[in-house]
Amino acid sequence: DAKTTQPPSMDCAEGRAANLPCNHSTISGNEYVYWYRQIHSQGPQYIIHGLKNNETNEMASLIITEDRKSSTLILPHATLRDTAVYYCIVRVAAGSARQLTFGSGTQLTVLP
Amino acid sequence: EAQVTQNPRYLITVTGKKLTVTCSQNMNHEYMSWYRQDPGLGLRQIYYSMNVEVTDKGDVPEGYKVSRKEKRNFPLILESPSPNQTSLYFCASSTSGRARTQYFGPGTRLLVL
Repeated sequence: DAKTTQPPSMDCAEGRAANLPCNHSTISGNEYVYWYRQIHSQGPQYIIHGLKNNETNEMASLIITEDRKSSTLILPHATLRDTAVYYCIVRVAAGSARQLTFGSGTQLTVLP
Repeated sequence: EAQVTQNPRYLITVTGKKLTVTCSQNMNHEYMSWYRQDPGLGLRQIYYSMNVEVTDKGDVPEGYKVSRKEKRNFPLILESPSPNQTSLYFCASSTSGRARTQYFGPGTRLLVL
């Protein structure tokens, strides 16, 4: 699985968009980009994933650059409950159920 | 509601006393996994299962056992717990489809004295 790089921490004002970047310059053509988050000591929560195209769901939007070497997770209207560690993961979807490598993630703090 | 449940949520035990942490999912997922999370080490996979009666070791299987007799259940067994197994444990399940997303349980915090 490709390695990802994320900033260790970010702040965002409540109600504003939170833009969380992720670099994955060694991504392969068959690897997906997944985003999960973990609110303090709770189980990680799936947010969104994508392969090439930008994706949007009820929680967030995922913007993947054309060369697929980086992506941005966008929380359009951040709330205090969005304070969490956000993990960007790149992996091949098919195959075994082996480990998701979570890395260090970005601690997002939403400020009132 | 689609969910992964774990029991117990909190457990304090003593060295050598066998324990089982249960995990159950109601989404008919084929894949299930156990992870442990420790400060500074992230999430590490202990065991995983691709279907009933099919299990395999993850990255840190020593001291743990699992079984998959039914699709929905994937218990984690510590035959002789030791203090270095004090950790936060998560069970997860996922489909076998192409874009496989994992759904995690709420966690079990274990303290071995």
